Amino acid sequence: GAVVSQHPSRVICKSGTSVKIECRSLDFQATTMFWYRQFPKQSLMLMATSNEGSKATYEQGVEKDKFLINHASLTLSTLTVTSAHPEDSSFYICSAWGPMTSGYEQYFGPGTRLTVT
Amino acid sequence: RKEVEQDPGPFNVPEGATVAFNCTYSNSASQSFFWYRQDCRKEPKLLMSVYSSGNEDGRFTAQLNRASQYISLLIRDSKLSDSATYLCVVTNAGNMLTFGGGTRLMVKP
Repeated sequence: GAVVSQHPSRVICKSGTSVKIECRSLDFQATTMFWYRQFPKQSLMLMATSNEGSKATYEQGVEKDKFLINHASLTLSTLTVTSAHPEDSSFYICSAWGPMTSGYEQYFGPGTRLTVT
Repeated sequence: RKEVEQDPGPFNVPEGATVAFNCTYSNSASQSFFWYRQDCRKEPKLLMSVYSSGNEDGRFTAQLNRASQYISLLIRDSKLSDSATYLCVVTNAGNMLTFGGGTRLMVKP
């Protein structure tokens, strides 16, 4: 099946620094990539939708200047958490959506666990 | 009211038991429906799509009732490895997934 990778899988950073998370679709071209955040014991919450070559669409309550999303190619999207604070500590998951032989499918990356100290 | 609602559980069942999860959604225009499984500290993985006619995959059966805006998942002959959180997911326009809060299942020996 299709594979989506995320890097890094785990990151610990100091408060005030920025962290970049990469999401790659390895064997298909992702028309759209989605970024989710999941706090402990909660479900996934969509942060933003990213289409290749255009600006991301952010969900209500998500600060676009704090969570910078770049979708430069059909196989790569990046999420940069700027000036991270401890409350940004969370599990960040991307998913990629694109044409597959069976139709359009959406696949999840393995997630990135961010801890801000 | 949440857009997709699930009983958070946990459901504690013995091995071999049959267990059913329910999910309701509020947007009557929802287009596609899925059950995902999420293990602790891992990403969600697609378990099965849910069709109006109902569908079965081995020990798993999913049902959709559009009139009542209700989705169900039935697991027969529960295995220890079925212990996980089961997420009810719907899509609306733009193929955006909306997740329910998840139902936690713990299968005991």
